[in-house]
Amino acid sequence: AQTVTQSQPEMSVQEAETVTLSCTYDTSESDYYLFWYKQPPSRQMILVIRQEAYKQQNATENRFSVNFQKAAKSFSLKISDSQLGDAAMYFCAYRTQGGSEKLVFGKGTKLTVNP
Amino acid sequence: EAQVTQNPRYLITVTGKKLTVTCSQNMNHEYMSWYRQDPGLGLRQIYYSMNVEVTDKGDVPEGYKVSRKEKRNFPLILESPSPNQTSLYFCASSPQGYYNEQFFGPGTRLTVL
Repeated sequence: AQTVTQSQPEMSVQEAETVTLSCTYDTSESDYYLFWYKQPPSRQMILVIRQEAYKQQNATENRFSVNFQKAAKSFSLKISDSQLGDAAMYFCAYRTQGGSEKLVFGKGTKLTVNP
Repeated sequence: EAQVTQNPRYLITVTGKKLTVTCSQNMNHEYMSWYRQDPGLGLRQIYYSMNVEVTDKGDVPEGYKVSRKEKRNFPLILESPSPNQTSLYFCASSPQGYYNEQFFGPGTRLTVL
């Protein structure tokens, strides 16, 4: 069974600085998708970025980028030029291929942005 | 506007009183799923549906039922709620295929006394 581990329950960053959130996963599948979701205080789950396992190039979306290390099964999220609106819970997730196609979530990292 | 809606958003009830949380999507998605979110546990899948009349259990299905009579709707039914079902519930939908993003509803905060 796939598992996702986020080892940092909480992180903080100064506004305009860069922060990296860690995520590791375990799977025996060769092709899969990884996602980072943001959950602000409104509780809405918002997709931040996704990465296909077969693509070696790291995904980027504006100030958000990932460092995907397939052999190490690592999928970290880098937030550059942090803004107050980035404060939220961040969940790393793996979507399983076949079967339930469920998202397997990590336990989340709470990010605080200090002005 | 493309969206997933859930109702109610908040619900306080008592043990044993049957309830239904509705979920509807307007994106013509085949796949729909229910998750519950608990502190320190992340989100866990309760039930999912690949298409109309096709449903199956996720990781934590005990105490829940679902149905998928129409493509757009996927209600979650708690026949006899218990306090351990107090949680934040999310409905999600996507086109079929593991490479697709799942779109989430706004969540339903359920408290069972």
